[in-house]
Amino acid sequence: NAGVTQTPKFRVLKTGQSMTLLCAQDMNHEYMYWYRQDPGMGLRLIHYSVGEGTTAKGEVPDGYNVSRLKKQNFLLGLESAAPSQTSVYFCASSYGLADTDTQYFGPGTRLTVL
Amino acid sequence: AQTVTQSQPEMSVQEAETVTLSCTYDTSESNYYLFWYKQPPSRQMILVIRQEAYKQQNATENRFSVNFQKAAKSFSLKISDSQLGDTAMYFCAFMKPSNSKLTFGKGITLSVRP
Repeated sequence: NAGVTQTPKFRVLKTGQSMTLLCAQDMNHEYMYWYRQDPGMGLRLIHYSVGEGTTAKGEVPDGYNVSRLKKQNFLLGLESAAPSQTSVYFCASSYGLADTDTQYFGPGTRLTVL
Repeated sequence: AQTVTQSQPEMSVQEAETVTLSCTYDTSESNYYLFWYKQPPSRQMILVIRQEAYKQQNATENRFSVNFQKAAKSFSLKISDSQLGDTAMYFCAFMKPSNSKLTFGKGITLSVRP
């Protein structure tokens, strides 16, 4: 069991470039999430998905898009990167059932936008 | 909307001693979950402990225990017999079962001194 994996681990972009972050989980979880972590801010929810083919906005969705074409994968896209998107990005997944609903996190992706 | 407050940005403790990390939250919900996550220098988010609001008994996991005061909306984490490996950032988080979204506090950096 790999748990939650994220690709890539590090990336440097120039302003205006685009990229996609991939999250994969092998725990058959229904729910998946993308967070960003900034110094002094904790983790903030960008987008999430409650099942294959569904997505919803979180607390800070602007500038990001997501897709959940397969249950095990959740993609986060930046169409035109900005320096304000420099952050560490975490993916998480959970069963989405109230009594067992604990989120498990990937190792994170450090993104720098110059 | 829910808010989670961790007012202490940093704490330090001597190895083998006990330390308590504070967390307060604000919600109008009666049923919810509370979590403590640990983030060591490796950046991986690790679940430490979970508490269901409907349970009066405080959760414990080995050296980690919580003091859950529902009326006061307080959820502190006690670490007994502190070890060097406990050095990390600790995040308090709140979840509503209806939407499974986590709201995080800003975190506290704990240093364990040898």
